[in-house]
Amino acid sequence: RKEVEQDPGPFNVPEGATVAFNCTYSNSASQSFFWYRQDCRKEPKLLMSVYSSGNEDGRFTAQLNRASQYISLLIRDSKLSDSATYLCVVNDYKLSFGAGTTVTVRA
Amino acid sequence: SQTIHQWPATLVQPVGSPLSLECTVEGTSNPNLYWYRQAAGRGLQLLFYSVGIGQISSEVPQNLSASRPQDRQFILSSKKLLLSDSGFYLCAWNSPHRIATNEKLFFGSGTQLSVL
Repeated sequence: RKEVEQDPGPFNVPEGATVAFNCTYSNSASQSFFWYRQDCRKEPKLLMSVYSSGNEDGRFTAQLNRASQYISLLIRDSKLSDSATYLCVVNDYKLSFGAGTTVTVRA
Repeated sequence: SQTIHQWPATLVQPVGSPLSLECTVEGTSNPNLYWYRQAAGRGLQLLFYSVGIGQISSEVPQNLSASRPQDRQFILSSKKLLLSDSGFYLCAWNSPHRIATNEKLFFGSGTQLSVL
């Protein structure tokens, strides 16, 4: 089983829609979690950290479910500029990256 | 503020040729430094990390090597490239504090390597 697994998508959504996707992790001792955004052929950039109580940053909401070992990202009121690949990152003794979920927002 | 520089941005090399990718960090001391590779449609694979000058840990066996000759300089090398070495290489750094805690990574702009 991979350490971090993501649905690769793509998720094709219209502008203004809500899109959500999950990331599962295998190590129950994982300590911290992040979502990164990566545009095509660019470096990943930190989108948000994921806290145990869940956290929100504008239109983005991240949730952590330790019992089921997954984190989620929800994007409300999607913008064209949200089109990207979203990487899930899980920290046990090292940072493990998922392969990414591709989101395409269409006009 | 801290910045990370990585070069070159793109590189086309023949099989069997050597490789040298360089990464430097400014604005911080004793950072943790990392080299990742991302194959097309795949996740980031950690190749090497370093917690200090001359201290290199390798995550996967391969024909690549890394060196840290200065505190804020990290070099990825190969003596003879293979076709399978093609990919997007990313240098990254994070806080010099404990490596296992929740320290966010900051990436360089990446090098797209094509081995032909």
